Amino acid sequence: TQLLEQSPQFLSIQEGENLTVYCNSSSVFSSLQWYRQEPGEGPVLLVTVVTGGEVKKLKRLTFQFGDARKDSSLHITAAQPGDTGLYLCAGLHVGEKLTFGTGTRLTIIP
Amino acid sequence: EAQVTQNPRYLITVTGKKLTVTCSQNMNHEYMSWYRQDPGLGLRQIYYSMNVEVTDKGDVPEGYKVSRKEKRNFPLILESPSPNQTSLYFCASSFFGTSGYNEQFFGPGTRLTVL
Repeated sequence: TQLLEQSPQFLSIQEGENLTVYCNSSSVFSSLQWYRQEPGEGPVLLVTVVTGGEVKKLKRLTFQFGDARKDSSLHITAAQPGDTGLYLCAGLHVGEKLTFGTGTRLTIIP
Repeated sequence: EAQVTQNPRYLITVTGKKLTVTCSQNMNHEYMSWYRQDPGLGLRQIYYSMNVEVTDKGDVPEGYKVSRKEKRNFPLILESPSPNQTSLYFCASSFFGTSGYNEQFFGPGTRLTVL
C-alpha cells in the first residue's frame, strides 16, 4: 500500500487568510485527486490533476501536482467559512485503486 | 438525481449479530467499493468490484464480505461484527475517465457502532 501523508493534520485560521495543505508520498502516481468532505456527508471530488507540474484553479482554490508526480498541494486564497471541511488527497496508479491520504481538517473562523 | 445511497445511515448492534449495509447507485457505474473511515487513518478500502460477479479485497478486508449480483447494488456484510469494526463506512462508485483514472462518487455514510 502506498502511503499518502497530508500536512497539517489540523488547521484553524481566520477568515480572509491564505493557507496551503500538502500531500506527500514516496510513490509516483499517474493522477491525483482532491476531495472535500463536510460533516455527515461523503467526500466530494474537487479536482483531478494528471500531468507533472500541472496547476488547476477552482475559484479561490489552486491545486498543483508535483513535477515528479509524488506530491501535491492545495492553496486557498482568502479563506471563507464555507471552506471548512476535511480535505483528502487520493493518488491513483493506472489500473489500480485509489489510495487516500490521512486528511487535513480545516476550520475557518469567521 | 445521480446518487449513491446507503442504508442504514446509523446502526448500533452487538458483537456477533450479523448485519448488512446496503449500497445502490443509479449512474450505471461498473466500479464500486467500500471504505471505512477512522480518525487519523483516512479512508481505507475494504473491498471493491470491477463489475458484476467480480469482487476483490482492498486494504482491510478481514471480517467483511461483499457481493455484486447486480450492477447497481453492492452490499457489505458483517457476519460476526466485533467492536473494532465500529467505524464510519462509505460506499462509492465510479466510471473510468479518459486517462484510466476513476472519479469516485460517495454515498452519505453509515455510522456503525458495535457494542
